[in-house]
Amino acid sequence: GAVVSQHPSWVICKSGTSVKIECRSLDFQATTMFWYRQFPKQSLMLMATSNEGSKATYEQGVEKDKFLINHASLTLSTLTVTSAHPEDSSFYICSARRIVLANYGYTFGSGTRLTVV
Amino acid sequence: GIQVEQSPPDLILQEGANSTLRCNFSDSVNNLQWFHQNPWGQLINLFYIPSGTKQNGRLSATTVATERYSLLYISSSQTTDSGVYFCAVLNDYKLSFGAGTTVTVRA
Repeated sequence: GAVVSQHPSWVICKSGTSVKIECRSLDFQATTMFWYRQFPKQSLMLMATSNEGSKATYEQGVEKDKFLINHASLTLSTLTVTSAHPEDSSFYICSARRIVLANYGYTFGSGTRLTVV
Repeated sequence: GIQVEQSPPDLILQEGANSTLRCNFSDSVNNLQWFHQNPWGQLINLFYIPSGTKQNGRLSATTVATERYSLLYISSSQTTDSGVYFCAVLNDYKLSFGAGTTVTVRA
């Protein structure tokens, strides 16, 4: 149980275009999902918290107009990288939160490798 | 925010060897998870372990919450154990990740 599906696995896009990444919780409902960014050989950095039915909460330094997050249902959150530039190339990972052992547990998607050319 | 430090940063093992990875954190936490990130980037949850000891096959973990550290033990390592191991702590509702330990197991 507790599967999070993320698509696409990889994408190459041209500078100036927009890319949408989907994150779905397949067998549980997730009122809260999270989006992370990971540069090569580095750790995961939280970009934003996606809340079902309300606006996302962005971490300091993350441009909300560039990284649009929508959480329209209890099983789907999307991240749209708008007007992508080469410096946006990175590995993006989503996670969904659920209750585990009377506390919160986090399950991660398989990630999306974005290359902007 | 909470600081999470992992050591060592890199670990090279001969197949069959045992090892211990450490995670120190700077404040009290609601929960702690250990993950293994495979070469394709997938994060696999190994343990939810806010305190105490758990075992799963050749892996085990111990968290001493009062002293703010957790240990991950790998016994009889195999080449498939290679990858990056992350410790992440839950404070409030956010997960904060350590920098990871890169484990390379050689045949």
